[in-house]
Formats: sequence, structure tokens, C-alpha cells
Amino acid sequence: DGGITQSPKYLFRKEGQNVTLSCEQNLNHDAMYWYRQDPGQGLRLIYYSQIVNDFQKGDIAEGYSVSREKKESFPLTVTSAQKNPTAFYLCASSRLDRVQAGELFFGEGSRLTVL
Amino acid sequence: AQSVAQPEDQVNVAEGNPLTVKCTYSVSGNPYLFWYVQYPNRGLQFLLKYITGDNLVKGSYGFEAEFNKSQTSFHLKKPSALVSDSALYFCAVRDSNTGTASKLTFGTGTRLQVTL
Repeated sequence: DGGITQSPKYLFRKEGQNVTLSCEQNLNHDAMYWYRQDPGQGLRLIYYSQIVNDFQKGDIAEGYSVSREKKESFPLTVTSAQKNPTAFYLCASSRLDRVQAGELFFGEGSRLTVL
Repeated sequence: AQSVAQPEDQVNVAEGNPLTVKCTYSVSGNPYLFWYVQYPNRGLQFLLKYITGDNLVKGSYGFEAEFNKSQTSFHLKKPSALVSDSALYFCAVRDSNTGTASKLTFGTGTRLQVTL
């Protein structure tokens, strides 16, 4: 079955450490996204990519980095520069045409806790 | 700028009763509107969308939503609620003039609690 796989589901990090969250999709979607979810704040866009080797900052990119070396993969690194990294992170993908672009397919999420 | 408001943090309804989850939006052009549902510790699932045409949109699991341009609303409805509908519901909007989902704006979510 096609879908999006995020790993790990739970992750604990010490202060000052970088961590990388994995996101893989087999839907053949061109666009991939990373969102951060905090209670009462909805979803906020961190980074997005529409094509391999290209990506753009979203609304809250500071302290995060991404890469898009393959169409199927869009890993997110939470760096030590992110001041408040404890959150639920969601990866999503979509087609790029104008009508379908808002229909996102989400992974199951990764919960990051900073100790 | 585009925005979405979900005025209720939580909606409580008894099983078998109709439910409504409210959403209002603001965009400069024509809106593309979406509803997503999230179960605990899971990702979001697409429920339905309004792009153009009939103002009443039918989606998954018996949900429907009514687009009202004059009131800039897109309320989610279901004629008869189930306990299994209990979840967090997100409304989202995109301006039809923008080309990609990167411009999708989500509301803060409404928790639906259906009780026996």
C-alpha cells in the first residue's frame, strides 16, 4: 500500500544535540512538507520541497534543516539552535497540480522530547 | 494574507445527534477549503474539500460540509454522530490563486467529543 512512513515515532534528545527525523513516501508525489504541531496552535509549516534538490523555508524554519536528495525522501534535522524543539512533527506529501495540491497525505508523526 | 478560525476548542455531542464543527476563513481570492481529522498520536487524514461547484460537499465517514461564500464559512456536519467520530478536526484554506499546498493555512483545531 502506498503511504508515508515517519521514523522514529518517539525520540528523546538531550540539550545541544541534533536529531534527524526520517520521512519516506511511495506515493510518487512531487511535493513534501514538514509541519510542527503544538497544543492549541494548529499546524505550522517548517519546510517544503516541490522538486529534488530544492526546498523552501516555511513559517518557522529557524533551527531546522532539510534535504531532498531523492523524490521519496525528505528528512528533517532539528538542530541545537532550535530553542523549543519539544513537539509533534508531521511529514506530508501531495501532488502539485492546483486542484489537488491542498489534499495532503500525512505520516503518523514523530514525537520529539528534549530532556 | 489568508487565515482560518475555528471558534470552538471543543464540541460535545451525544451519539446519534447531529454535529457541527465551525470554520470561517479569509482569503483575498477564491478559497479552496479542506477538512482533516486527527486521531490521538496519529497523522491527519483528509476528509473532504471544496474547490468549486455545489456548496454542499460530501466526504469520508458520512461527513459533509457546506460552503457559504457570504458568511465566509465552511462548517463540517454529520447527521448522526458516532462515538468513533471523537477526534481533533482541522479546517484549512488555500487561495486558489496560489499554486501549491505550501500556502495551506490550518486552523487551531476543534476537539469533538461524542458520548453515549
